[in-house]
Amino acid sequence: QKEVEQDPGPLSVPEGAIVSLNCTYSNSAFQYFMWYRQYSRKGPELLMYTYSSGNKEDGRFTAQVDKSSKYISLFIRDSQPSDSATYLCAMSSSSGSARQLTFGSGTQLTVLP
Amino acid sequence: GAVVSQHPSRVICKSGTSVKIECRSLDFQATTMFWYRQFPKQSLMLMATSNEGSKATYEQGVEKDKFLINHASLTLSTLTVTSAHPEDSSFYICSGVDTEAFFGQGTRLTVV
Repeated sequence: QKEVEQDPGPLSVPEGAIVSLNCTYSNSAFQYFMWYRQYSRKGPELLMYTYSSGNKEDGRFTAQVDKSSKYISLFIRDSQPSDSATYLCAMSSSSGSARQLTFGSGTQLTVLP
Repeated sequence: GAVVSQHPSRVICKSGTSVKIECRSLDFQATTMFWYRQFPKQSLMLMATSNEGSKATYEQGVEKDKFLINHASLTLSTLTVTSAHPEDSSFYICSGVDTEAFFGQGTRLTVV
């Protein structure tokens, strides 16, 4: 079993839709949770960073963490074609500069105009 | 957010030659940098952890003599793919950690 499971998709939605992306994990030591967006042939770009259960909102993006269920989500409201990318969840057990991230496999999202 | 600059973005080399990829943290000091490899439609696979002033730590299955890592300063880490073969063709990405992990733009290596 992988430490982090993420539905690879692909996921295709119409413009304006609400998108829900999810990851589950098995390692209870994970305390820090991130979502990255990666456009084709580019490095990942940090979208959201959370370290506690609950919701964190930033513009059209909401990150949700449920540590009791070992489940995290990223919601995108009013999705735009420019949101079309691969979304990666990532987790770590520490917050120091040497912390290693464990990534999900990524979900490929296409927002149709 | 912090900026990590990776160069080159794309390189094509002949089989048997060596290729050097540079990763620079532009506005923060990175004691530790990470090197990842990514195959098409797959996630990032950690190859090694680069430590300033000391030897890199390699993940299981990664050949340290093939993928040479040098972290000579707090802002620069390099990955050299030695005696490259077509199976080394991949997308290589570096990461430096400030308050969060920031990634370089990636290097697409094609070995012909």
